[in-house]
Amino acid sequence: GESVGLHLPTLSVQEGDNSIINCAYSNSASDYFIWYKQESGKGPQFIIDIRSNMDKRQGQRVTVLLNKTVKHLSLQIAATQPGDSAVYFCAEKRYSNDYKLSFGAGTTVTVRA
Amino acid sequence: GAVVSQHPSRVICKSGTSVKIECRSLDFQATTMFWYRQFPKKSLMLMATSNEGSKATYEQGVEKDKFLINHASLTLSTLTVTSAHPEDSSFYICSAPGQAPGAYGYTFGSGTRLTVV
Repeated sequence: GESVGLHLPTLSVQEGDNSIINCAYSNSASDYFIWYKQESGKGPQFIIDIRSNMDKRQGQRVTVLLNKTVKHLSLQIAATQPGDSAVYFCAEKRYSNDYKLSFGAGTTVTVRA
Repeated sequence: GAVVSQHPSRVICKSGTSVKIECRSLDFQATTMFWYRQFPKKSLMLMATSNEGSKATYEQGVEKDKFLINHASLTLSTLTVTSAHPEDSSFYICSAPGQAPGAYGYTFGSGTRLTVV
């Protein structure tokens, strides 16, 4: 089965609001977690990543939080814009699996104008 | 930044024919290339890993003779769908590790939409 999964398949957000996309994982041996954005008909685009020994990492308008106690990962997008509408995937990789990426199911984010 | 160029972006072929998909790493060498398949509204499923200079490794349940993978050089990996059937219709994506904005992410190609009629 999947080693990562998402809580909600869809998320509708008002433009300008903050978005929070959640992901749960099962394998405590994961070394890295990565968030990807995929627009229709395109390949996944890297957003941000975090190493398993970290709790938080910030990028431009995005923050990833990692809670290893409950095996939970979240992606926060500040001031959501129409261009943020896409499918978001969390993924994990670990040394024991040759660093192959395992993807979650994906959350479709729709930004309302 | 690092780019993986994937071609074609779309292809329609007749049942029984073969289709080749190419992925090239631009401005960097990719000793490994991952190949994924994605069904509509679904996640990416890893099919196989190609390694330059050696045989590809396939994930469980993936037919090696159906999906031929070749890693001809440090910048080129190809996936050939042989004797294609309508059930092979899907979105195929390649990815090279170690070349992404972050330290731990991979760079993906733009994908190939295969339709078998």
